[in-house]
Amino acid sequence: NAGVMQNPRHLVRRRGQEARLRCSPMKGHSHVYWYRQLPEEGLKFMVYLQKENIIDESGMPKERFSAEFPKEGPSILRIQQVVRGDSAAYFCASSREPGGEQYFGPGTRLTVT
Amino acid sequence: EDKVVQSPLSLVVHEGDTVTLNCSYEVTNFRSLLWYKQEKKAPTFLFMLTSSGIEKKSGRLSSILDKKELFSILNITATQTGDSAVYLCAVHSGGSNYKLTFGKGTLLTVNP
Repeated sequence: NAGVMQNPRHLVRRRGQEARLRCSPMKGHSHVYWYRQLPEEGLKFMVYLQKENIIDESGMPKERFSAEFPKEGPSILRIQQVVRGDSAAYFCASSREPGGEQYFGPGTRLTVT
Repeated sequence: EDKVVQSPLSLVVHEGDTVTLNCSYEVTNFRSLLWYKQEKKAPTFLFMLTSSGIEKKSGRLSSILDKKELFSILNITATQTGDSAVYLCAVHSGGSNYKLTFGKGTLLTVNP
């Protein structure tokens, strides 16, 4: 049973470019969560999605950030016009049910130069 | 705002020692508390606690929750160098969202 998959593992973007981060949940899981980990800080919640629905995006910056979880395919976290402050590790987690144990993927390390 | 505080922030011990890591929380609509181990990659799930006073155990690791005093402890006995990692505590708050609020973690270093 494959775990949560994320790709790419490392992503380098220049300021102003777009970053697309992908997450495939564990088999049988339909709830996806995105978290960001800045250097020297804890993991911070960004958004919670179910298939085709955003349930809670209270942790997402208001501009440049968006997320989706389509009927088919992985969940995507998109960051437009990246800035240096977006450099962080972005983790995706999934659970079988809301409120259930969340299992994390290996993360995508985004570096903005 | 929901808050999770872990202590100590870092800890250095020798192999064979027993350690206790602490996690206190202030959240609305508490549902559960989770412990994760993070090495240089994904946080790995350890325990999920929902009821007070019931110890969860896995090998040399154990954890217990006190919902009255709003804290949890994670114990590791007979530590090994492979236990070196950041240990994260997170709380699941209720309502219509199911986000986890994380503490900053405890960095445990086990020296041979």
